Amino acid sequence: EDQVTQSPEALRLQEGESSSLNCSYTVSGLRGLFWYRQDPGKGPEFLFTLYSAGEEKEKERLKATLTKKESFLHITAPKPEDSATYLCAVRRGNTPLVFGKGTRLSVIA
Amino acid sequence: DAGVIQSPRHEVTEMGQEVTLRCKPISGHDYLFWYRQTMMRGLELLIYFNNNVPIDDSGMPEDRFSAKMPNASFSTLKIQPSEPRDSAVYFCASRDSLAGGLDTQYFGPGTRLTVL
Repeated sequence: EDQVTQSPEALRLQEGESSSLNCSYTVSGLRGLFWYRQDPGKGPEFLFTLYSAGEEKEKERLKATLTKKESFLHITAPKPEDSATYLCAVRRGNTPLVFGKGTRLSVIA
Repeated sequence: DAGVIQSPRHEVTEMGQEVTLRCKPISGHDYLFWYRQTMMRGLELLIYFNNNVPIDDSGMPEDRFSAKMPNASFSTLKIQPSEPRDSAVYFCASRDSLAGGLDTQYFGPGTRLTVL
């Protein structure tokens, strides 16, 4: 059974304090690892897809990396507007995404 | 494109009543997914369709839940009768499996269901 575990459950950072979120996964035949951002009262918003170990993608202050067992979402010099829940998901073939429970990030000014 | 559209955005009902949630996927997308989100269990897949045909409904909690997709632009999720434990946010998502690098799921804004 495909499994996704995210840590920590919650993270509180000062503005400008860089950190990383972790997503560990167990899936046979990974066909993509996905990161989403979810703001309160809204649906998940797509950020990145990573397909193979060693791949990296960046968007503004966010950088996602992938190994054979886990993915990291690095947040550099975060701002209060980066506060959200970050969700990780995996897919095997054409199956639906399997999601982790997310990391709730709070960035304090 | 307007993105995935869901209605209603909020629904408050009493136990035993029938609830119908609606979803309009992104035009041209061939997959449609229904998820339920709670604090305890996170995002759970309920059912998904490919080209309007239900593929896997193993996530549907029990027979009180049913879903239909009569055409490529509309789907419903029905709960009858509703129970307090059904209270959650229900999301619809769609995906274009032929989109290559854009082959990902796009979510609607969700319907927040409260069953009293």
